[in-house]
Amino acid sequence: AQTVTQSQPEMSVQEAETVTLSCTYDTSESDYYLFWYKQPPSRQMILVIRQEAYKQQNATENRFSVNFQKAAKSFSLKISDSQLGDAAMYFCAYRRSQGNLIFGKGTKLSVKP
Amino acid sequence: GAVVSQHPSRVICKSGTSVKIECRSLDFQATTMFWYRQFPKQSLMLMATSNEGSKATYEQGVEKDKFLINHASLTLSTLTVTSAHPEDSSFYICSAQPSGIQETQYFGPGTRLLVL
Repeated sequence: AQTVTQSQPEMSVQEAETVTLSCTYDTSESDYYLFWYKQPPSRQMILVIRQEAYKQQNATENRFSVNFQKAAKSFSLKISDSQLGDAAMYFCAYRRSQGNLIFGKGTKLSVKP
Repeated sequence: GAVVSQHPSRVICKSGTSVKIECRSLDFQATTMFWYRQFPKQSLMLMATSNEGSKATYEQGVEKDKFLINHASLTLSTLTVTSAHPEDSSFYICSAQPSGIQETQYFGPGTRLLVL
């Protein structure tokens, strides 16, 4: 069975600085998708970034980028130029072959002005 | 962009009653929808996978007779919590996978259920 581990329950970053959220996973599959979702206080799940395992190039979406290390089964999220609106819970997720997502326990990110 | 709605957004009910939650994909068809549950300060846990025109697949530990799922059309899945008890109080979130696009799913805004 696949598992997703986020070892940082809480993180804090100064506005305009950079922060990295960690995520590791375990799977025996060779092709899969990984995601980072943001959940603000409204609790609406918002897709931040997606990585396809067969692609070696790390995904990037504006200020958000990932460091995908397939052999190490690591999938960290880097947020550059942090903004107050980035404060939220961040969940790392693995897409199972059945289609559903397995989520990590989340990291609560605070952004200090 | 693709939009998924849930209704109601919040519901309070008495213990022993049943509650129905709707999940609709507004601008796309979804052969598959997923129902998750999120307890306070915890992560999302999959309850069941809903497939249009067939029986839902439940995760281990989820009572299928208590959490009834119906996916009667390509845009609507419903979750009915039967004989609700206070321990069923939670945040229920659905997601919809566009037909033919397996790597993407869109989340609804969630439904907060409080059972008194």
